[in-house]
Amino acid sequence: EAGVTQFPSHSVIEKGQTVTLRCDPISGHDNLYWYRRVMGKEIKFLLHFVKESKQDESGMPNNRFLAERTGGTYSTLKVQPAELEDSGVYFCASSPSSGSLSEQFFGPGTRLTVL
Amino acid sequence: AQSVSQHNHHVILSEAASLELGCNYSYGGTVNLFWYVQYPGQHLQLLLKYFSGDPLVKGIKGFEAEFIKSKFSFNLRKPSVQWSDTAEYFCAVIHTGRRALTFGSGTRLQVQP
Repeated sequence: EAGVTQFPSHSVIEKGQTVTLRCDPISGHDNLYWYRRVMGKEIKFLLHFVKESKQDESGMPNNRFLAERTGGTYSTLKVQPAELEDSGVYFCASSPSSGSLSEQFFGPGTRLTVL
Repeated sequence: AQSVSQHNHHVILSEAASLELGCNYSYGGTVNLFWYVQYPGQHLQLLLKYFSGDPLVKGIKGFEAEFIKSKFSFNLRKPSVQWSDTAEYFCAVIHTGRRALTFGSGTRLQVQP
């Protein structure tokens, strides 16, 4: 079974540009999560999808971040325009059931550098 | 706001030494507790979890953790570490009614052969 995949693995952009990160969860997993780790700090929750619906977006830092999960499969996280403080590693995770708490399986992360 | 504290940011041990990594959380309600590990170049993966029942939880690779509700703690232990345990370890909680993981800042463990 394929794990959670994320694309790209690294992205270097300039301040003011737009970047779109993609996450493909494990097939059949209804729950999809985005997290971010800024250098030297803890991993922080951004948002949670159940299928195509945003269940919890309390961690989204501001309206420059837009997450979508059309069709309830893969998800994208767009940052527009990017700022220096957006640099960090963006993790995606998925879990199998919408009715019970279960382990979250993490992807390898996308390292975003904003210059 | 809820928070998770990991007391040690960087731990260096020799092989065969015993390990205990501290984790405390701030939330007073019902929590679900996790330890995740990230080996060099690999994904975050689950070491062990506590939802309910026996507060002493055993995980993969000989790790265990004990939930002490009165101390809001969930410390990770291993009696004898190996060089292959070199990794970053993260304590995390999920509070009742939510699904988002709240992570500690992580502990880098370096095991010297």
